[in-house]
Amino acid sequence: KQEVTQIPAALSVPEGENLVLNCSFTDSAIYNLQWFRQDPGKGLTSLLLIQSSQREQTSGRLNASLDKSSGRSTLYIAASQPGDSATYLCAVSGDQAGTALIFGKGTTLSVSS
Amino acid sequence: DGGITQSPKYLFRKEGQNVTLSCEQNLNHDAMYWYRQDPGQGLRLIYYSQIVNDFQKGDIAEGYSVSREKKESFPLTVTSAQKNPTAFYLCASSPGGAYGYTFGSGTRLTVV
Repeated sequence: KQEVTQIPAALSVPEGENLVLNCSFTDSAIYNLQWFRQDPGKGLTSLLLIQSSQREQTSGRLNASLDKSSGRSTLYIAASQPGDSATYLCAVSGDQAGTALIFGKGTTLSVSS
Repeated sequence: DGGITQSPKYLFRKEGQNVTLSCEQNLNHDAMYWYRQDPGQGLRLIYYSQIVNDFQKGDIAEGYSVSREKKESFPLTVTSAQKNPTAFYLCASSPGGAYGYTFGSGTRLTVV
């Protein structure tokens, strides 16, 4: 059964730092991997989607990489800002289209000014 | 704007009552999902549907029921058999294929 692990569980950094969030999964037969952001009490906002044939995706200060063979993904946040404070969730889908996402427990990020 | 609408935002249930959470999407997505989120537990799959009039149980389906009579709608009923229903419930949809998933803003259910 697929399991997704996110490390660290929590992270506190000063404004301006570059940081890396890690995600690992046990079964490499995934269809895609998606990173989400969740603010307290809110729904999930999609940040980046990496399809299984891709190695990385970029959006503004965010860059996500995928290494299917090793079961790892990283989310890189450049020049962090207090507005980046949130919980970041990694999720993978099964090897067929339309299968449900399986989530890690998230990394809670706090960026201080 | 296209998106997923969950209602109500907050819901209170008395012991022994059934309650229904609404999820509507206008994205023309084929697949829809229900997740439950508890502190420290991450998101857990309750039910999902890949096509109208068909749905499958997820990891924690006991005490819940769903229907998918229309492509746009996937309501979730929390029955009295669910012993610990207090949680944050999230609905999602996907067009299938190598595309991403879109989430609603959630419903917080509290047993009083």
